[in-house]
Amino acid sequence: EAGVAQSPRYKIIEKRQSVAFWCNPISGHATLYWYQQILGQGPKLLIQFQNNGVVDDSQLPKDRFSAERLKGVDSTLKIQPAKLEDSAVYLCASSLAPTAEETQYFGPGTRLLVL
Amino acid sequence: AQSVAQPEDQVNVAEGNPLTVKCTYSVSGNPYLFWYVQYPNRGLQFLLKYITGDNLVKGSYGFEAEFNKSQTSFHLKKPSALVSDSALYFCAVRDMGIQTDKLIFGTGTRLQVFP
Repeated sequence: EAGVAQSPRYKIIEKRQSVAFWCNPISGHATLYWYQQILGQGPKLLIQFQNNGVVDDSQLPKDRFSAERLKGVDSTLKIQPAKLEDSAVYLCASSLAPTAEETQYFGPGTRLLVL
Repeated sequence: AQSVAQPEDQVNVAEGNPLTVKCTYSVSGNPYLFWYVQYPNRGLQFLLKYITGDNLVKGSYGFEAEFNKSQTSFHLKKPSALVSDSALYFCAVRDMGIQTDKLIFGTGTRLQVFP
């Protein structure tokens, strides 16, 4: 079974530029998550989708971050304009359903460096 | 609010010796607890989870964890450490509500296994 796919793996941009990340979840997984992992910290949820609807985006800085999952499968996360503090690893995860028993499986992440 | 704490930034152990990585939790309601491992430049890999049932949970790569309700702990263990176990380990608790379903991660513990 293929895992969660993410691209690009690495991205270097200058502040105020824009960037987009792509995620393809495990086939059949209805729930998709984007987490931000700053160096030295554990991941923190940015946004959660159930199929193509947003369940929780309370921690998403909406003035600069946006995300979509148009057809309930792939998702993109965009930052515009980027700030220095956005330097982090962006992890995509998916699960079969948003229940306690279901495991969240993570992709390899996109490492973003903002100069 | 749900939270987990990993009191040790780093754990050092000799190859072949038993290892323990500590995690304590604070939850309202039933605890749903997870362990993930992160190798350099890789995403998070699922190791094991406690949802309900037996207090000793067995997971991938020979790891196990013991759920202790009275001590609110969920320590990760392995009887005999391998050099290849050297990585960053995260404990997490699932925070489930009407409008949210996310993992709350600890700050991570770096395990170093010496030959």
